[in-house]
Order: sequence, then C-alpha cells, then structure tokens
Amino acid sequence: GQQLNQSPQSMFIQEGEDVSMNCTSSSIFNTWLWYKQDPGEGPVLLIALYKAGELTSNGRLTAQFGITRKDSFLNISASIPSDVGIYFCAGDESNFGNEKLTFGTGTRLTIIP
Amino acid sequence: GAVVSQHPSRVICKSGTSVKIECRSLDFQATTMFWYRQFPKKSLMLMATSNEGSKATYEQGVEKDKFLINHASLTLSTLTVTSAHPEDSSFYICSALQGAGQPQHFGDGTRLSIL
Repeated sequence: GQQLNQSPQSMFIQEGEDVSMNCTSSSIFNTWLWYKQDPGEGPVLLIALYKAGELTSNGRLTAQFGITRKDSFLNISASIPSDVGIYFCAGDESNFGNEKLTFGTGTRLTIIP
Repeated sequence: GAVVSQHPSRVICKSGTSVKIECRSLDFQATTMFWYRQFPKKSLMLMATSNEGSKATYEQGVEKDKFLINHASLTLSTLTVTSAHPEDSSFYICSALQGAGQPQHFGDGTRLSIL
C-alpha cells in the first residue's frame, strides 16, 4: 500500500535540543495527523491538522499542514527523556481524519544521555 | 478521553491454530473500527475497515478468508486469524472512530507469535 515518506528515519539528540521532522506525499491529503508510538503500544495522537497552512501547537509540540496539502512537519522543543519513541505522520483524504489513514515510515527519536 | 482496549495483548500459539483478537471501545460507541498490521520497525498498514452490522472492507492484498472480521456491536470488533502460520506473526492494532469530526483512537495492540 501507499506510504508517506518521513525524514529523518532516526534522530539521536541530547536532552534539551529541539527536534524537527517532516512528512511528504505524492498525493493530497485533507487531514494530517501526528502520532507517537512507544514500544509494544498503539499510536497516541499528538496533533491533528485539518486545514492547509494550519499551524497548531500542543505544549512543546508544533505541527504545520503544508500549503500544497502534500506535506507536514512536526517540531518538538526542549526535548525531554519521555519524548523518546517513534513518531508517525498519517494522512487522510477525509476532512476529519476519520477514514482510512495512510501512515508515514516513522521517525525514531533517541535521546543520548 | 476515548479509550480503546485490545485483548489479548500478547498471544503465542502453534501453527495451524486460529486466533481471535478483540477490540473494544470502552467509553464510546464506534460504528467504524479499523484493523492495522505492523511488522517490526515498520509502519502501520491498514488491513480492513470494520463497520457495525455490515461486512468489512478489506484493503488490496489482504485475504478476507484468512483474516475474518466481525463487528457485531457498537463497542466490539473482532479479528480472527484463521489457520495461522509463522508469517502471520505480527503486531495487530485496532482503532475506533469516536464520532463525526473526531480522529481515530488506537488500541495498545496485540503481538501475535506463531511457532
């Protein structure tokens, strides 16, 4: 099936650093979602974006829905140990993220002590 | 918040066994649930869309006779992996829609290991 391209694949950072990751698609999506997955668990929704150009924050997380509707980025400021995990973007052709989701390839975040 | 529960969280069984995985929405009714499969260090791939009271819609390449889905109530969908073989070993995750205008909420997944 189709997948969204996420970059980088992995990141090794020190605590306190800012993080930036992005997601690109060859197709247009009407909803972009960002999830975090911890080992052995299901994805947890971080931010949902419903409008092209939209910039939304959730605490230290900020995400934007690209104007072309083919990309999105997620920034994490001042990383902390609990930010470790795998981050997935997901695109949905519907306007509410309530139909079939296409997931990105994931970005694995590791914090170096 | 919306809670989706999956059971069992882990199952190990012999080749040829059929395994049933349950997905429940605990504090809301879900007319639509989704089933995903995730291989190690890979992304989630949608297997099928489960609608309450009707047949599931399977994604291309997913065998409907292999992966039986039943959505008998507004709070429960089940995925049965029939005559499981080692290549069916994977992490299976369900999600449920809380309602119109709401994004999907995911369960904690079921790790299936076929010996």
